[in-house]
Amino acid sequence: GAGVSQSPSNKVTEKGKDVELRCDPISGHTALYWYRQSLGQGLEFLIYFQGNSAPDKSGLPSDRFSAERTGGSVSTLTIQRTQQEDSAVYLCASSLEARMNTEAFFGQGTRLTVV
Amino acid sequence: SQQGEEDPQALSIQEGENATMNCSYKTSINNLQWYRQNSGRGLVHLILIRSNEREKHSGRLRVTLDTSKKSSSLLITASRAADTASYFCATDSFTGRRALTFGSGTRLQVQP
Repeated sequence: GAGVSQSPSNKVTEKGKDVELRCDPISGHTALYWYRQSLGQGLEFLIYFQGNSAPDKSGLPSDRFSAERTGGSVSTLTIQRTQQEDSAVYLCASSLEARMNTEAFFGQGTRLTVV
Repeated sequence: SQQGEEDPQALSIQEGENATMNCSYKTSINNLQWYRQNSGRGLVHLILIRSNEREKHSGRLRVTLDTSKKSSSLLITASRAADTASYFCATDSFTGRRALTFGSGTRLQVQP
């Protein structure tokens, strides 16, 4: 596609359920990022993938959070046993290789509400 | 804590006025980028300034970078109501995390 695509746009889930958020990056982009943004706040880094390198998972807030990127393309962020504090907008972005002075392109995000 | 911190947190101006937002960061950078966000959804890239550049222009946008002070500013000239949005700086560092690190943003309100 022409841009970064995220699905679903909105997700309401019950506390304790697992959720999967999907990100389809721009074709040819080797770098993929997940961020989380709470209402009125900045972007909190979660995880970063670059090509075939080991992902940087240093931003994942707990072991309930995991992400994978299959075939260097589509990525899935999984949150297990969701809690109310997980409610936020989850943003995905992709770019050409990092540290190459290129911009990141963002999807429209998934708004997750845990009730 | 955030690598980039924007100042002010919120700014309200009249249409036609200039808006200036500042960003400070902590570590050595490869480049610094500014993004705009409408309505809490996807961010749109505005401008990228490399560490060896001091000033850059794009339309009504002017960005400066002072690596000695680890700071940057974004100036929007002749603001319009459509410029109302949140603006974030993001740093691409030489060391440590390779992902872009974002500040907390400046919420700009341009009154018509």
